[in-house]
Amino acid sequence: AQTVTQSQPEMSVQEAETVTLSCTYDTSENNYYLFWYKQPPSRQMILVIRQEAYKQQNATENRFSVNFQKAAKSFSLKISDSQLGDTAMYFCAFMTYSGGGADGLTFGKGTHLIIQP
Amino acid sequence: GAVVSQHPSRVICKSGTSVKIECRSLDFQATTMFWYRQFPKQSLMLMATSNEGSKATYEQGVEKDKFLINHASLTLSTLTVTSAHPEDSSFYICSASKGQGFNSPLHFGNGTRLTVT
Repeated sequence: AQTVTQSQPEMSVQEAETVTLSCTYDTSENNYYLFWYKQPPSRQMILVIRQEAYKQQNATENRFSVNFQKAAKSFSLKISDSQLGDTAMYFCAFMTYSGGGADGLTFGKGTHLIIQP
Repeated sequence: GAVVSQHPSRVICKSGTSVKIECRSLDFQATTMFWYRQFPKQSLMLMATSNEGSKATYEQGVEKDKFLINHASLTLSTLTVTSAHPEDSSFYICSASKGQGFNSPLHFGNGTRLTVT
């Protein structure tokens, strides 16, 4: 079974600062996928960024980037130039594909990120 | 873009009654749908995987007779909470997979807040 660990229950930074959210995972699979999702107070799940484990290059999406260390099973999210709208719960998630279809996501416990004005 | 519609967004029911939650993919055919449960201030936990035309696969610890899942078409999956009890009060979220590859991302519904009185 896969496990995902987010060790920071809450983080708070000033607007425009850079913040890094940590995530580690445990799996015996070699091919898998990692995601960061944002959940604002509306509780809508919003995909922030995703990474295929077989790709060594770290994924980036505008202000969001990841530091993927496969050997260490680490997948941190860096948010640059943080904005007030970034305030939300952030969940790290893991997924495999089997039998030709996607498996369900395994989520970490989440990090509540607060951007202070 | 792809949209997943979940209905109702909120429902209050009395203990002992049943309630049905619908998850629809509006502009794509979803071969697989997933149902998650999220308690307040907690992470999402996968309940079951729903495949069109076949029986759902339930995660360990999820009572299949209590949480009935039907995926009768490629655009609709339903979750029925039978004989609801106050401890079933939670936030239920569905997600749908558009295809079978990593480039077919998961799309989430807006969730259903169930309150059992």
